[in-house]
Order: sequence, then C-alpha cells, then structure tokens
Amino acid sequence: AQKVTQAQTEISVVEKEDVTLDCVYETRDTTYYLFWYKQPPSGELVFLIRRNSFDEQNEISGRYSWNFQKSTSSFNFTITASQVVDSAVYFCASKTDSWGKLQFGAGTQVVVTP
Amino acid sequence: DAGITQSPRHKVTETGTPVTLRCHQTENHRYMYWYRQDPGHGLRLIHYSYGVKDTDKGEVSDGYSVSRSKTEDFLLTLESATSSQTSVYFCAMLAGSYGYTFGSGTRLTVV
Repeated sequence: AQKVTQAQTEISVVEKEDVTLDCVYETRDTTYYLFWYKQPPSGELVFLIRRNSFDEQNEISGRYSWNFQKSTSSFNFTITASQVVDSAVYFCASKTDSWGKLQFGAGTQVVVTP
Repeated sequence: DAGITQSPRHKVTETGTPVTLRCHQTENHRYMYWYRQDPGHGLRLIHYSYGVKDTDKGEVSDGYSVSRSKTEDFLLTLESATSSQTSVYFCAMLAGSYGYTFGSGTRLTVV
C-alpha cells in the first residue's frame, strides 16, 4: 500500500525567509507519480507540480523548487523568499495504480507573517 | 470555466437524514473521484468511478454510496448522515497525463 508522510504540521516564517516542506512516500511500485498541491485560505486545491518516478531532475519554477530523491523516497518542496500570499496548506500526493487514485499526505500549514 | 462543479457548496443537515452531493463535469472524462478532507488526515478517497455505472470503494467508504448514470455526473450519497461525516468534500476528475481537476469543495455540517 502506498503512503505519504508530511511530518511537519505547521511551519511559521517571516516574510522573505525560505521554507522547505518535507514529503516522504512509500510504494513498492516502480512507476508512480508525485504531486504537490496548494490550498489557500479560500479552500480550492491548486496544482503545483507533477513528477514521474523516472524523472529525478530537480525543478525550479520562480520562487518554488522541488527536490526529488528516490534513494530517500522524498519529494521536498522549497519556497524561496516567502511572501504572505504563500500562506496556505500544502499537500503532497502520490499515484501508483492504474485507476488514478491519489494518496495524500496530511498537509503542512505554512504561515508567512510580514 | 473549471470544467467541474460541485453542488451544493455548503450544507447543514441533521443527523439521520439522507444527503446527496453532486459533481458535474463538462469534459467527458472517464475517471472521477470523491474525497473528504479532515484536519490531520489530508484528503482521503471515498469512492471513485471509471465509467458509467462503474464505481469502486476507496479508503473511507463506510456510510457512503455513489452513482454514475451519466459520464458527466457523479453523485455521492450519505444514506443516514452522522456527525462524523461533517467534513469538506472534494470531487475530482482525471484528464490525460495524470492531470487532475478538483471541484471547489462542499462544506457539509451534520448537526
């Protein structure tokens, strides 16, 4: 069975600080997909990134970057120079089966104060 | 237009009453899902569908049933609502290349 662990319940930072969100996944499958979603206070789920198990390249998108390491089963997410608008709950998720079912972590609340 | 809508957005109901939540898509996608979101648990899968009249249980399916009589509609029913089913419910659909689109959510309160 697959499992996604986000050990950090809440992270509080001051604006312009960097923040890294940890995600550890468990799967016995060789083919899988990993995702990050953002849930702002308004409640909708916003897609941030999808990564498949064959692509271990790190990715940077603006102030966001992702570090995927299969050796440690981790897919960590860093926000550089955080802003108040980054305050949200962030979810890591995985998909391994052919039915497209997603397994979510418990989420990490990020609070950015001015 | 997000292509997927949930109704109602908010609902308060009494314990023991039946409740149906609706998810409607305009994209003609085959796979649809119902999740519930609770603090400390993230989103958990309730039921999913892989076609008209083809559905299966997810991780937390007890107390819920679903129906999909048309591609565009995926209904979630609480036969007899309980306080433990107070939650935020999200519907999702799977587009190609594992791109998921989520509805805006339904906040259900069972009193």
